[in-house]
Amino acid sequence: AQSVTQPDIHITVSEGASLELRCNYSYGATPYLFWYVQSPGQGLQLLLKYFSGDTLVQGIKGFEAEFKRSQSSFNLRKPSVHWSDAAEYFCAVGAKAAGNKLTFGGGTRVLVKP
Amino acid sequence: NAGVTQTPKFRVLKTGQSMTLLCAQDMNHEYMYWYRQDPGMGLRLIHYSVGEGTTAKGEVPDGYNVSRLKKQNFLLGLESAAPSQTSVYFCASSWPGTAGELFFGEGSRLTVL
Repeated sequence: AQSVTQPDIHITVSEGASLELRCNYSYGATPYLFWYVQSPGQGLQLLLKYFSGDTLVQGIKGFEAEFKRSQSSFNLRKPSVHWSDAAEYFCAVGAKAAGNKLTFGGGTRVLVKP
Repeated sequence: NAGVTQTPKFRVLKTGQSMTLLCAQDMNHEYMYWYRQDPGMGLRLIHYSVGEGTTAKGEVPDGYNVSRLKKQNFLLGLESAAPSQTSVYFCASSWPGTAGELFFGEGSRLTVL
């Protein structure tokens, strides 16, 4: 069965500093990987996705993520954090099978200090 | 653009009461989903549907029922609510072949006393 682990429950970062969120997955085949962001009181919004090809993928809002098969990781990064990046971030793994079902990690809540 | 709309957004129930959450999407998506979100556990799939008239169980289906009588609507029912069903419920939809690019509603917060 597929699973996703986000080791950091909370991260606090200063505005303007860099951010990296960790994600490790377990999946038997080549995974389809996603990062979603949830602002307070809102639903989830897709930040970026990896299906195949270039292992460094760019997303919206200046985020990027790198797929490392050898480490079963898909870490999310942003070079310079803005106060509006305070949110909860979810890593997810899926498959191109019937249903497009996703398995989510537990989430990482990011707090941005002025 | 409405996207995915959930009603109601908040509800308080007593143990044993029943209720239905309604999800409506206007993107003509084939697939629809109900997830629940609990602190530290991320989102867990309750039920999903790959087309009108079809439903399937997800990871945590017990205590819930669903129906997809129309393509644009996906209903989640609780026949006899329990405190363990206190959660935030999210509906989502997607196209086949997008392998997980889901569009989410804003959530429905349910409290069972």
